[in-house]
Amino acid sequence: ILNVEQSPQSLHVQEGDSTNFTCSFPSSNFYALHWYRWETAKSPEALFVMTLNGDEKKKGRISATLNTKEGYSYLYIKGSQPEDSATYLCAAYSGGGADGLTFGKGTHLIIQP
Amino acid sequence: ETGVTQTPRHLVMGMTNKKSLKCEQHLGHNAMYWYKQSAKKPLELMFVYSLEERVENNSVPSRFSPECPNSSHLFLHLHTLQPEDSALYLCASSQDGQLNTEAFFGQGTRLTVV
Repeated sequence: ILNVEQSPQSLHVQEGDSTNFTCSFPSSNFYALHWYRWETAKSPEALFVMTLNGDEKKKGRISATLNTKEGYSYLYIKGSQPEDSATYLCAAYSGGGADGLTFGKGTHLIIQP
Repeated sequence: ETGVTQTPRHLVMGMTNKKSLKCEQHLGHNAMYWYKQSAKKPLELMFVYSLEERVENNSVPSRFSPECPNSSHLFLHLHTLQPEDSALYLCASSQDGQLNTEAFFGQGTRLTVV
């Protein structure tokens, strides 16, 4: 079982500002890194799945990078909007069929108008 | 809508009751999962099914019993639960068990054990 850490635990950002947060995971036994966005009373929704060192993925104003050698991933949000308010979950998969995804506790993001 | 449907959305049960949670997906996925989220804890994996075969997870108490009758349906049978089992139970599915593609989650069942 992996140990996945996310920081910060919560974050208040002014509308229009850009922000980023971190996910760290063991660099050994790495297979894939997932980011999910989870709004209250809804389902967690996938943002990105990354597998290769140096991967960068982008979806609109949100992007993510992956460093498998040092065991971290960053999620960036450019020009935050109120609808970006959510909990952002990072999860790592080690490749073992029995393991599923190991999640961090999440970063709770609040965008202030 | 993610394509994964869970019922019921909320459940209150006594410690002597038996109840079941249901999960359904019609995404053509071959792997399904049960996760538990307790307050201030990360999502914790309970069970994995791949091609309808359960991958054992020894850390889950036997009062939780999963069932996967076919690739589209997953159940979690509950009996003689404890108040500390109160949590949000999330079902998820993925194309296969290798998770190099995204998982799709249901909205969860909020369980309260009284």
